Amino acid sequence: AQKITQTQPGMFVQEKEAVTLDCTYDTSDPSYGLFWYKQPSSGEMIFLIYQGSYDQQNATEGRYSLNFQKARKSANLVISASQLGDSAMYFCAMSTTWDSSYKLIFGSGTRLLVRP
Amino acid sequence: DTAVSQTPKYLVTQMGNDKSIKCEQNLGHDTMYWYKQDSKKFLKIMFSYNNKELIINETVPNRFSPKSPDKAHLNLHINSLELGDSAVYFCASRHVRATRNTGELFFGEGSRLTVL
Repeated sequence: AQKITQTQPGMFVQEKEAVTLDCTYDTSDPSYGLFWYKQPSSGEMIFLIYQGSYDQQNATEGRYSLNFQKARKSANLVISASQLGDSAMYFCAMSTTWDSSYKLIFGSGTRLLVRP
Repeated sequence: DTAVSQTPKYLVTQMGNDKSIKCEQNLGHDTMYWYKQDSKKFLKIMFSYNNKELIINETVPNRFSPKSPDKAHLNLHINSLELGDSAVYFCASRHVRATRNTGELFFGEGSRLTVL
């Protein structure tokens, strides 16, 4: 069965520094996708970044990059130059099959607090 | 110009009542989902519909009944509400057949249900 694990319930980072949020996954499917979402205190779910299991390069989106290590089954999110507005819950997620029963399964989340 | 909209955003009700949450997406997507986020922020899929057809029905009490009148709408009706139903319910959508599709889900803003 697929599983996503986020072992850091909470993290602090100083403004303007980089931070890494950990995510490990377990699946027997050869093809899958990995996602990160941000949930600020206002509650909405904001898609940040995607990595396909066959992608050769690590995904980047602005200040977000995904450190994908397939052999270790990890997909850590790196946020560079942290800003106060980055304070939020961050969820790692994995897609399952690519047919109509497609769904995302989520980790338990990491609460990030950016200190001024 | 909201992509995925849910109503109501807040719902406070008594145990035993029946309530509905509505969801509409204007993205032209053909698959819609309901997720439940509990008090510990854990997100769990409940249902998915593809072109009005029920595809995913996770282990959810049968007091929860989704209904999709067309592929742009997915409603959630809950009978005989219990204290444990208190949560934030998220609607999401995705286009299965997109040619350039990372597979991310587009989420609504959530509907916070409080059962007293």
